[in-house]
Formats: sequence, structure tokens, C-alpha cells
Amino acid sequence: NAGVTQTPKFQVLKTGQSMTLQCAQDMNHEYMSWYRQDPGMGLRLIHYSVGAGITDQGEVPNGYNVSRSTTEDFPLRLLSAAPSQTSVYFCASSSAGTDRYEQYFGPGTRLTVT
Amino acid sequence: EDQVTQSPEALRLQEGESSSLNCSYTVSGLRGLFWYRQDPGKGPEFLFTLYSAGEEKEKERLKATLTKKESFLHITAPKPEDSATYLCAVPLNTGFQKLVFGTGTRLLVSP
Repeated sequence: NAGVTQTPKFQVLKTGQSMTLQCAQDMNHEYMSWYRQDPGMGLRLIHYSVGAGITDQGEVPNGYNVSRSTTEDFPLRLLSAAPSQTSVYFCASSSAGTDRYEQYFGPGTRLTVT
Repeated sequence: EDQVTQSPEALRLQEGESSSLNCSYTVSGLRGLFWYRQDPGKGPEFLFTLYSAGEEKEKERLKATLTKKESFLHITAPKPEDSATYLCAVPLNTGFQKLVFGTGTRLLVSP
């Protein structure tokens, strides 16, 4: 199993550009989430999904869109990048059972917006 | 407001020097507390789940304990490979899958 994979590892964008961060998992997990991690702020939830076709907002959803058409994939779209979105982005997945909070994280995407 | 606070922010130990990391929380009706380890440049890795006060979990040199207001991660005779950032998290009462994370404790163990 590859677990949770994320692409790209690094990305530099100019203000106003759009892009999609990719996330895939091969563990057949129902739940998937996107977090951003900033120095001194901890991990903050952006969006999450409890299954294909179902998504909801987390703590910091503005400027980001998600969709979940398959169990495996959960892409995060930046609509119009801003310097405030410079961060490290992590995708995570977990099962829907009693261990649903045991989240498996991907290696992260480091995004810089200039 | 649901909040998780970790202390200290950073901790430097000599190999073999035991210590504890603290995670305090202000979530009402706690539904669990989770510890993760994060190595530089990598995603967090799950360590423990604690569900009720008095519960303890152990893994190698790590032992996590939980009271009604806080959790401790005890590190016994640490080795340099234990160097990492340790994060704790609790579920929000308003969300099924939503976790709120602390900012972590950066642990450095010197040989």
C-alpha cells in the first residue's frame, strides 16, 4: 500500500493563479481531510469529506474548493492564490469505524504564493 | 472556545534523560485525545488514542496518560531517534471528523 499520496511536493504560484493539489489514498478510507500547517498555528482543517459526493467546510475554507467523485481521490483547488495561502498542505484519511480519528497523513505539499 | 495548548514549545534532552510533554484542553465532553509524531518535512504519524481519564497507552519509550483536563506524553530514556515534534489533538464537539490540533512540542534528544 502506498497509503496517502500528495502531488506536487513543492509549488510556487503567483498571486491570482489557480491550481489543484492532488491527494489519493489506497486504503479504501471513507473519510478524507485537508489541513494547512503554518508556524505557530498548528494544523487547521480546511475541508473534509465523509464519503464520495459528500464534502463539508472546516475551520479555514475560504479560497479553497474541494470535490470527492471517488473514494480514492480528494483534490483541493485554490481558486485565486493569495500570499496568505503560503503554507504546507496535508491531506489525511481515516476509516469510518471506531478508529476514525486515527488519521493517516500524506507527505505534504509546500506552497509558496508570491 | 475549544482549545488545545501544548507545553513546552521546545524541549532539549540528553540521551537517557526522561521528561514529559503536556497537552491541556478546554473541550467540553471530551470524546478522545490523540497524540501524533511529526518528523521534519513529513506528515504527522499517529501514536495514541486516549478516551477516558485514567487511561494510559504505551509504545516503546513513550507513555501517554489522560486526566480530565490534560494529557501527558512521558518519554523514558529517550534516544536521538525520538527527536521530532509531538502534536496532540481533540475532536470538536460540533463535528464528526473535525480535530483541533495543538501547536506541538519540538523535542531534540542529543547523544
